[in-house]
Amino acid sequence: EDKVVQSPLSLVVHEGDTVTLNCSYEVTNFRSLLWYKQEKKAPTFLFMLTSSGIEKKSGRLSSILDKKELFSILNITATQTGDSAVYLCAAPSGSARQLTFGSGTQLTVLP
Amino acid sequence: NAGVMQNPRHLVRRRGQEARLRCSPMKGHSHVYWYRQLPEEGLKFMVYLQKENIIDESGMPKERFSAEFPKEGPSILRIQQVVRGDSAAYFCASSPGLPGNTIYFGEGSWLTVV
Repeated sequence: EDKVVQSPLSLVVHEGDTVTLNCSYEVTNFRSLLWYKQEKKAPTFLFMLTSSGIEKKSGRLSSILDKKELFSILNITATQTGDSAVYLCAAPSGSARQLTFGSGTQLTVLP
Repeated sequence: NAGVMQNPRHLVRRRGQEARLRCSPMKGHSHVYWYRQLPEEGLKFMVYLQKENIIDESGMPKERFSAEFPKEGPSILRIQQVVRGDSAAYFCASSPGLPGNTIYFGEGSWLTVV
């Protein structure tokens, strides 16, 4: 059975800190890994990673994939209170018709 | 370009009633997915549909749950004879197709069974 595991489950930091969120996966016929941000409503797409070692960046967020060690990290630098959310990692599984999600990392950024 | 539209956003049903959740995919998207998020849990795949076809319903409970995506109109997730354990957020997502396309989520429908 395909599996996506995220750590830590929750994280509390202060504004300005840098955080690293982890996602490991065991997926048959791996195609890609996706990161989403969920703030009490729709998960919003952040990144899709398909190639090892190539960093994707969007503002203060960046992510990288290691296909050899089967994990990805999401970095957020200079955190702000607006970054408080659940960050979800997911991978297409089976015949790519469904996403298998991790349980998420609840990030809380204190002022 | 409107995103994935779901309604109702919040729904309260008594045990034994039926719940109908609707989803209109993004313009140009022909693939619809339903996911369920139980309290304090991650998103779990339920069903994947294309127009007039259920492609993969491996995540759907065998009883009381059904989904459709008719030729015209929104996709509908139907839950008959709801029980307390059905209380959850139900997210619809859509994509243009496979493989490699990112899927985009709607705002969710929060079902509360009392």
